[in-house]
Amino acid sequence: DVKVTQSSRYLVKRTGEKVFLECVQDMDHENMFWYRQDPGLGLRLIYFSYDVKMKEKGDIPEGYSVSREKKERFSLILESASTNQTSMYLCASRPRNTGELFFGEGSRLTVL
Amino acid sequence: EDQVTQSPEALRLQEGESSSLNCSYTVSGLRGLFWYRQDPGKGPEFLFTLYSAGEEKEKERLKATLTKKESFLHITAPKPEDSATYLCAVANNAGNMLTFGGGTRLMVKP
Repeated sequence: DVKVTQSSRYLVKRTGEKVFLECVQDMDHENMFWYRQDPGLGLRLIYFSYDVKMKEKGDIPEGYSVSREKKERFSLILESASTNQTSMYLCASRPRNTGELFFGEGSRLTVL
Repeated sequence: EDQVTQSPEALRLQEGESSSLNCSYTVSGLRGLFWYRQDPGKGPEFLFTLYSAGEEKEKERLKATLTKKESFLHITAPKPEDSATYLCAVANNAGNMLTFGGGTRLMVKP
């Protein structure tokens, strides 16, 4: 079974803090994604990566950056957290040239 | 721009009461349509991929069907453990990204 592991299930941070969300997949997938999910807004793509050191902006990249130094790991960085970044963050991976995404359990971030 | 609309937003069923969830889509060249199940506080779990009109897939009490404009997720004799949010998404031939619908929250009462 594909395993996508997100480092933290629940985080509470203060406004202005730097936040790192880590994601690791164990199936050698080329593509990795970061989404946020909010009630009424559904799943929105923040960034994705189709290879090591490669990244592409999704629909809502403002206020976020990403890092992919190794194939299995994709990190989401909030340089200066704000209260409107309180959300559920979901990491996903998939092999190249397929459609199915495999999601992690999610990281619920609260910014006070 | 690809669009996915799911209906209803919420559905309450009694245990054993069969029903269907709808996913209407517009896409520039369908590469695949995907169904996911999401339990509260967890990530979506992949259920099915459908590639072309007329295709059907089944898993336990769930059956997904596809036409050129919509997909249905039929739930036969549901049980309380089927309660979850069901998400539909499409991928087009052009790119890497999926477009998700807003989901249907299913509640099955014993």
